[in-house]
Amino acid sequence: QQQVKQSPQSLIVQKGGISIINCAYENTAFDYFPWYQQFPGKGPALLIAIRPDVSEKKEGRFTISFNKSAKQFSLHIMDSQPGDSATYFCAASDGGYQKVTFGTGTKLQVIP
Amino acid sequence: DGGITQSPKYLFRKEGQNVTLSCEQNLNHDAMYWYRQDPGQGLRLIYYSQIVNDFQKGDIAEGYSVSREKKESFPLTVTSAQKNPTAFYLCASSRKGHGSPLHFGNGTRLTVT
Repeated sequence: QQQVKQSPQSLIVQKGGISIINCAYENTAFDYFPWYQQFPGKGPALLIAIRPDVSEKKEGRFTISFNKSAKQFSLHIMDSQPGDSATYFCAASDGGYQKVTFGTGTKLQVIP
Repeated sequence: DGGITQSPKYLFRKEGQNVTLSCEQNLNHDAMYWYRQDPGQGLRLIYYSQIVNDFQKGDIAEGYSVSREKKESFPLTVTSAQKNPTAFYLCASSRKGHGSPLHFGNGTRLTVT
């Protein structure tokens, strides 16, 4: 049962372009939506997170857009760089204990 | 430097053998977790623990066991009952409280033949 659906599975973007990764969820009890970045051979690391009381959160080149009514959220990477090449996971958790549900991941490749 | 140490990085076992994966943290976090990562399936929760001597099953606990005798340590045993044990295993920890970020180790890749 996939509670958080993520797309695309892979993405190739030119250096300087915008990378967009989309996620959709079903459980309306989810109220915390983090994004994790994972480099090959490493564990994921928190990149940015949002709560549903705001529609957008920006940190540097990374922006989360959140649409509560559509139950969708997305990650935008502006001015994408080769160093951004990694796998990105969206995730969601509810008000209960820290049980985080992850999407299936998007492998991003930024080409020079 | 505070962090999570998983060892070994690569582990090879024969089918039918139990194997234990190590996870140690020095972040003074109360909660610890084990996730399994398979290509195209994201991260799936195996077990989690909020305090010492207590742990709960995650979404895919069958064929796995854990212990939490110390705050710093949360070893995972992959038993012979696990049908598809070959995977990348990730340990994580966090502070208590909703929205506390997960801190991951660098994983152990287990291959069972």
